[in-house]
Amino acid sequence: ETGVTQSPTHLIKTRGQQVTLRCSSQSGHNTVSWYQQALGQGPQFIFQYYREEENGRGNFPPRFSGLQFPNYSSELNVNALELDDSALYLCASSPGTSGYTDTQYFGPGTRLTVL
Amino acid sequence: AQKITQTQPGMFVQEKEAVTLDCTYDTSDPSYGLFWYKQPSSGEMIFLIYQGSYDQQNATEGRYSLNFQKARKSANLVISASQLGDSAMYFCATHSGNTPLVFGKGTRLSVIA
Repeated sequence: ETGVTQSPTHLIKTRGQQVTLRCSSQSGHNTVSWYQQALGQGPQFIFQYYREEENGRGNFPPRFSGLQFPNYSSELNVNALELDDSALYLCASSPGTSGYTDTQYFGPGTRLTVL
Repeated sequence: AQKITQTQPGMFVQEKEAVTLDCTYDTSDPSYGLFWYKQPSSGEMIFLIYQGSYDQQNATEGRYSLNFQKARKSANLVISASQLGDSAMYFCATHSGNTPLVFGKGTRLSVIA
């Protein structure tokens, strides 16, 4: 096990609603990244946080936002949900400094369904 | 931009046999890392093995080895002595200092008893 946990496991929302997904990183890991994995695809990078600051973002609109807290927990918030937001959301933590050079360890994911 | 190509959507292997999962990559960065992750049906991405672009030797981790051919831009995963528990999706991924992890579309491996 990686020591990375995510909640909830599954979530069902309706279009237009807002959702918050949570992640608890491995202790000592200052960097957390979030990914979206649509069915049948590889994960796609949403953004990365290092010591509570966003320091990298993929091709996702501003309605995807995040927070990282000093206690190694983090959140992914998605506003104005769309049907295409239905996916598995994965968080991953890594021990190093900012940047993308470290191995990332993933949590079990949250499966979001938007109806 | 970095890109990963996995051309095998699905593979079958007999238990106890070896299997090779293909991965080719494209990157303009001279320094990069290559990863393989396993994703069982439960959804968690499990880190298997890492190869740095400047590493002289191919990486090995237990039954996993990475066949790194830099000139061909390939980073194939070899699983020896396949087990039923190896049945899963396998993803190849790459990153550099300036770009986050980019994943391929994955290969579904099925191990047959």
